[in-house]
Amino acid sequence: KNEVEQSPQNLTAQEGEFITINCSYSVGISALHWLQQHPGGGIVSLFMLSSGKKKHGRLIATINIQEKHSSLHITASHPRDSAVYICAVSGTDKLIFGTGTRLQVFP
Amino acid sequence: EPEVTQTPSHQVTQMGQEVILRCVPISNHLYFYWYRQILGQKVEFLVSFYNNEISEKSEIFDDQFSVERPDGSNFTLKIRSTKLEDSAMYFCASSANAGGRGAEAFFGQGTRLTVV
Repeated sequence: KNEVEQSPQNLTAQEGEFITINCSYSVGISALHWLQQHPGGGIVSLFMLSSGKKKHGRLIATINIQEKHSSLHITASHPRDSAVYICAVSGTDKLIFGTGTRLQVFP
Repeated sequence: EPEVTQTPSHQVTQMGQEVILRCVPISNHLYFYWYRQILGQKVEFLVSFYNNEISEKSEIFDDQFSVERPDGSNFTLKIRSTKLEDSAMYFCASSANAGGRGAEAFFGQGTRLTVV
């Protein structure tokens, strides 16, 4: 069983739609990270959170420590949001990654 | 904005050859990592490095692999006698504090290694 599970694996949306990506984990963590990976392969950190909620522009990340669950929301999605979104958790030094959610937003 | 730099961006090598992947972490960071991503799969941890020694390594990081911080700025991953299954994207990352304290990790753009 994977320590970090994401859903859905693939997601398509029309421009302007509200997007939600979910992440569940089964290990103790110090923080949860949301990352973005573009087709070229580079990874960019979007959020790191250990409680509550964070917002950056159209992106919102929430975490429920008791339920071991986090969500990433994208409001008013845009084609440039098309990417793979990855949930990862840190407990010891390393990050443990989920399999990612491939998002495609069409105009 | 400071960034992690990896070179080369793409390397093709013959099976059995040695390769060195190079990384320049963010200058005031103390913790360094290598991860890899086989095509179509999730990112996997290889090794973490702090205070000039390995702090943690995965089962993947066997005797074929080694890391070094030769000059205080570069952080290298050496793969001896490459195998076809070593073909992957290799990511370097650095952080100011240990991941276990919830530090944000900054990733390089990756080196795509192709073993033929």
